[in-house]
Amino acid sequence: SQQGEEDPQALSIQEGENATMNCSYKTSINNLQWYRQNSGRGLVHLILIRSNEREKHSGRLRVTLDTSKKSSSLLITASRAADTASYFCATAGYSTLTFGKGTMLLVSP
Amino acid sequence: DVKVTQSSRYLVKRTGEKVFLECVQDMDHENMFWYRQDPGLGLRLIYFSYDVKMKEKGDIPEGYSVSREKKERFSLILESASTNQTSMYLCASSLWGLKAGDSPLHFGNGTRLTVT
Repeated sequence: SQQGEEDPQALSIQEGENATMNCSYKTSINNLQWYRQNSGRGLVHLILIRSNEREKHSGRLRVTLDTSKKSSSLLITASRAADTASYFCATAGYSTLTFGKGTMLLVSP
Repeated sequence: DVKVTQSSRYLVKRTGEKVFLECVQDMDHENMFWYRQDPGLGLRLIYFSYDVKMKEKGDIPEGYSVSREKKERFSLILESASTNQTSMYLCASSLWGLKAGDSPLHFGNGTRLTVT
């Protein structure tokens, strides 16, 4: 399986701090995506990084991809209480996306 | 904005019942997906469809079937519900792409199904 594995499973920080989540996977990929899920809701797409890209930014989000290490990281800068959610990486192989189990982020005011 | 609508937020059914979960998207997306989400197991793909009347098995298709008669609608069917199918079910859609994940998935808000 090429399922991504997020690390840590849970992260608790204060507002204004940065949050870093990591994702490791096992097989080659076409691209890697990050999603956010607020409690009891569906997932929302955050950012997509292709296998030939190393870094991508979107607002307060920064994603890196290291295909040699088969890993990616998501950095959320200057976190806010509204960033409290679960974050999932998803790896795109031949035909579908495969999701990891997620990192639960709690941002306290 | 893309809207993916799942017909029920919460559903309670009895063991052995036939259950239909409906999903409709309004952006003319070719691809549609059904995932289930369980604590500690993450999201697992049940079935997906890349065109009307086309379907492909995902990682855990056993006990489920799907129907896609129209482009905008993708139904998940539990032929005979069992307690181990109690879960959160998430529908998603995406534009067609040459490679998997070329376009991001757009998710509905999920249906929390309880089978008693």
